[in-house]
Order: sequence, then C-alpha cells, then structure tokens
Amino acid sequence: EAQVTQNPRYLITVTGKKLTVTCSQNMNHEYMSWYRQDPGLGLRQIYYSMNVEVTDKGDVPEGYKVSRKEKRNFPLILESPSPNQTSLYFCASSLMGRGQETQYFGPGTRLLVL
Amino acid sequence: QKEVEQDPGPLSVPEGAIVSLNCTYSNSAFQYFMWYRQYSRKGPELLMYTYSSGNKEDGRFTAQVDKSSKYISLFIRDSQPSDSATYLCATSSGGSYIPTFGRGTSLIVHP
Repeated sequence: EAQVTQNPRYLITVTGKKLTVTCSQNMNHEYMSWYRQDPGLGLRQIYYSMNVEVTDKGDVPEGYKVSRKEKRNFPLILESPSPNQTSLYFCASSLMGRGQETQYFGPGTRLLVL
Repeated sequence: QKEVEQDPGPLSVPEGAIVSLNCTYSNSAFQYFMWYRQYSRKGPELLMYTYSSGNKEDGRFTAQVDKSSKYISLFIRDSQPSDSATYLCATSSGGSYIPTFGRGTSLIVHP
C-alpha cells in the first residue's frame, strides 16, 4: 500500500528544545516536501527535496532544517522551536516534482510549542 | 493580496446537488492547477491535476481552468455526504516546485 508515514503524530514541547519529525515513504518517489498548515493561512511549503542530498527552501523555511540522506526519508528538524512554530505539519511525496501530479500526503503531525 | 484566493465557506448543500468550488489567482505564470480534498484530521488527498487551460473529468468530479480570467473551478455532481470535507486549490508555475495553495473551502453535504 502506497504510504507516507510521519512520527510523532502529536508533540508538545517547550521553547528551545530541539526536535525532529520523521517522514518516510514507500513509493520510491524522488520528490518530497514539508508543509505547515495554519488557520486562515492554508498550506505553505517549508522545504522540498528533488532527490537524495538535494534540498531547497520553500515559502517559509526560517527556523527549520531538513536532510535527505536516503530516498525514502526526509526528516524535519526544529533546532530551537518557538511558539510561532506551533502548527500542523504535513510531509508529502510525489513521483514527479513539477505539478505534484502523483502526490501523497502523510497523516500530519500536530506540534505545540510552549 | 494573496496569490490564490478561495472563499473559506462553509458551503452547505443538500445531497444530490451539483457543487461548484472556485479559486482565483493573480500570477499569470501559473500553469499547473490542482484540487485536493482534506477530511478533518487527515492529510490532503490529490483529487484533480490539470495543466494549462481546459476541462478534466474524473467520475463525479470536473476541474475547469480559465487562464484568461485566472479562474479555476471544481464541480462535483450528485454530491454525497461523504464529500463533506475541505477542498483546497493549488497552483504552480512551470519553473517552480513550490505550489501556492488557497485557504480551502469547507463543504457540507447534508442528507
């Protein structure tokens, strides 16, 4: 079954405590991306990756880091989380990056930073 | 002005109605147009993907793009209560891998 998994699904943390949200896909997709979803603002892309070791900034990359050491995994790192990073985060993957025509989203990670 | 505008709704319709969901966009460079469905507490699910202008049909769903007026639509025929969800439109240009999303329209189909 085609799947994008994220862990953890829910996370409460405190300001400044480094955290990592993992993302893994089983479809051998080259393109992976991270989004955050906030009420009234919709989905905004944080970072994307075209392939292993190839990453680039999306619309809202400040305060986030990513890495792509393996094709299937694309972790999102918050080195010093702040309350304005409280949000719902989605990882996505697709076979072709342009147009996202075969895109799958993960189930989401709800993050609260106190 | 946000690049992609979408009325948040909610839009409430009776079962069996034809639903029209719409977005407008401002960037004439946008060439790829997508519609996603998002159920409560779930990730978005790609429904329709179109390139440039024209119509695309998939079952009860029809996506329509009018580049001259920068207007994109999703029509749902014979709507069902299971269609109740938030519908997100998104666009991207040919040279960009960063899609721009609308804020989503909440649709409620009541029996």
